[in-house]
Amino acid sequence: LAKTTQPISMDSYEGQEVNITCSHNNIATNDYITWYQQFPSQGPRFIIQGYKTKVTNEVASLFIPADRKSSTLSLPRVSLSDTAVYYCLVGGGGYQKVTFGIGTKLQVIP
Amino acid sequence: KAGVTQTPRYLIKTRGQQVTLSCSPISGHRSVSWYQQTPGQGLQFLFEYFSETQRNKGNFPGRFSGRQFSNSRSEMNVSTLELGDSALYLCASSPFRGGSYNEQFFGPGTRLTVL
Repeated sequence: LAKTTQPISMDSYEGQEVNITCSHNNIATNDYITWYQQFPSQGPRFIIQGYKTKVTNEVASLFIPADRKSSTLSLPRVSLSDTAVYYCLVGGGGYQKVTFGIGTKLQVIP
Repeated sequence: KAGVTQTPRYLIKTRGQQVTLSCSPISGHRSVSWYQQTPGQGLQFLFEYFSETQRNKGNFPGRFSGRQFSNSRSEMNVSTLELGDSALYLCASSPFRGGSYNEQFFGPGTRLTVL
């Protein structure tokens, strides 16, 4: 399983763009990179997934360099409601055995 | 579609007892995974079931077990409870289609407190 490393916590002001980087040096060829968001007392919620280059949806962008050893989740213009824990995970090959880790606790400040 | 449901939502047990938690996946989802979440360890994978078979298992002792029924509903059991088993237990279902990682849909969790 590819191990991931991401910052434990980050602070950001409302309206700013937030970038959270995740390192996954041992990513396998068939692994996808997926990000989840978790609010207190709730289960994680899927945000975005990618394999390489850039993926964008209505809530975030995911940047993956060519070597795929890291990835960056970009949240545009964060609001207070984006305060949550963000998990980067790497897995794939049709199996669900993935490691979530501790995640990055994002605190958005008014 | 209804989301993933877990019962009960809260549970208080004492050391040495056993507990069974239940998870109903989203209709049509055949993969069900279980996770343990604690403040210090984060979200740790317990096991995954697919078509009534345990397909993957995390690094937890044998006291933690599970099963999946033909309707994809799943249960997990913890025997001989220890204080350290106090945690939020999350269930996630996935529409496994093979070939790549599939998005997991999480339930609200069961908060287990062991006294």
